[in-house]
Formats: sequence, C-alpha cells, structure tokens
Amino acid sequence: QKEVEQNSGPLSVPEGAIASLNCTYSDRVSQSFFWYRQYSGKSPELIMSIYSNGDKEDGRFTAQLNKASQYVSLLIRDSQPSDSATYLCAIPADRGSTLGRLYFGRGTQLTVWP
Amino acid sequence: SAVISQKPSRDICQRGTSLTIQCQVDSQVTMMFWYRQQPGQSLTLIATANQGSEATYESGFVIDKFPISRPNLTFSTLTVSNMSPEDSSIYLCSVEQGLNQPQHFGDGTRLSIL
Repeated sequence: QKEVEQNSGPLSVPEGAIASLNCTYSDRVSQSFFWYRQYSGKSPELIMSIYSNGDKEDGRFTAQLNKASQYVSLLIRDSQPSDSATYLCAIPADRGSTLGRLYFGRGTQLTVWP
Repeated sequence: SAVISQKPSRDICQRGTSLTIQCQVDSQVTMMFWYRQQPGQSLTLIATANQGSEATYESGFVIDKFPISRPNLTFSTLTVSNMSPEDSSIYLCSVEQGLNQPQHFGDGTRLSIL
C-alpha cells in the first residue's frame, strides 16, 4: 500500500496566522493529491485538489505540490477558529490514476485559538 | 454535487450480530466506495462497490466479513457481519460522479459493538 505521511500534530496557531500542513508520499508517479477537512464528529469534506507542480489558490487556502520532492502542502492564510479540524491528505491508490480509490494519511489536527 | 444519504446514522449492536448500512445517492454515480474510520484513526478503504458484480476488496478485508452490494448506479449496501468490539468504527460511503470530480462522502454510520 502506498505511504502517505502526515504529522499528526496537534498544530496550534493563533487566529490570523498562517497554518502550514504537510504531506509526503512514497509513490513517485502519483498524479493527483487531495486535501480533506474533517470536523470532529463529521465526515471528510474535500477542500482542495492539485494535479500539477506549483501552487493552487482557492480563497484562503493554497495547495503546493512538489513532485520531485514528493510532498504536498496546504497553507491556510488568516486562520480562523472555524478552521480548527483534522486535515487529511489523500492520493489515488491506482498508479498513474488521477481519481478512484484513495489512500489517506493519518491527518493533522489543527487548532486555531482566538 | 450529489447528495449522499447513509442509514443508519448510528447504531449500537450486540457482538455476533450483523448490520447492513445503506448508501443512497440522489443521482447516478460512476464509482462508490466504502471506508472505515476507527476511533482516532484515519480512513481505511474497505472496498470498491461495483455495479452488478462483486465488490473489489482491499487487502485485509474479505467478503464474508463485509459483504457489499451495488444493484444500480445510485445505491449500495455494506454489511458488517458477526460483529465484535473491534468493528466499532465509523463506516463511510463515498462516491465519484465522473466528469473528473473527486470523491465526496456521506455523513457516515457510527457503529458501536457491545
């Protein structure tokens, strides 16, 4: 099974700061990468997907992908207490696929304090 | 995106019994998956539910323990058989609608075995 590694945290940042979440993966040919947010007691919710090297921005969220170094990160700017959740990194299980079965990392628990 | 309904939302069961979880989608989807999330853990893929044929199981999961049906493009069931306390988890249905859209999840079924 492919490895998807995340620091479990917890990561604690003050309101208004930038939260940086990191994920590394073992399969060099992975084509797509997903960030899900999971609030306590809720199911995961897709917040970002990224397929190409570089940055992808969506509102306060920026995903950064570096395929050569095999890591993908999620930056949350102007963090809010409502961003407090567990953030899960996921990659497709099937080599070379962009979708389909997913393998998830352990997740990073983020707390944003007022 | 498609609306995914899972039933039951939670249950408490006796060991040795079986429970069937239903996943209903309000539109036809290409792929349906079942995941398990044990307490404090990340998501583990159980199987891909294949329409009109046997499900494809991941390593460590077998049909006798987790029989899955998918009679059409909008519905699937997962049965947890001969339950033990180790089966206490959240079971999640997820779908891909096609058109290069990543998976999204139902609300999950919280299962406790006494």
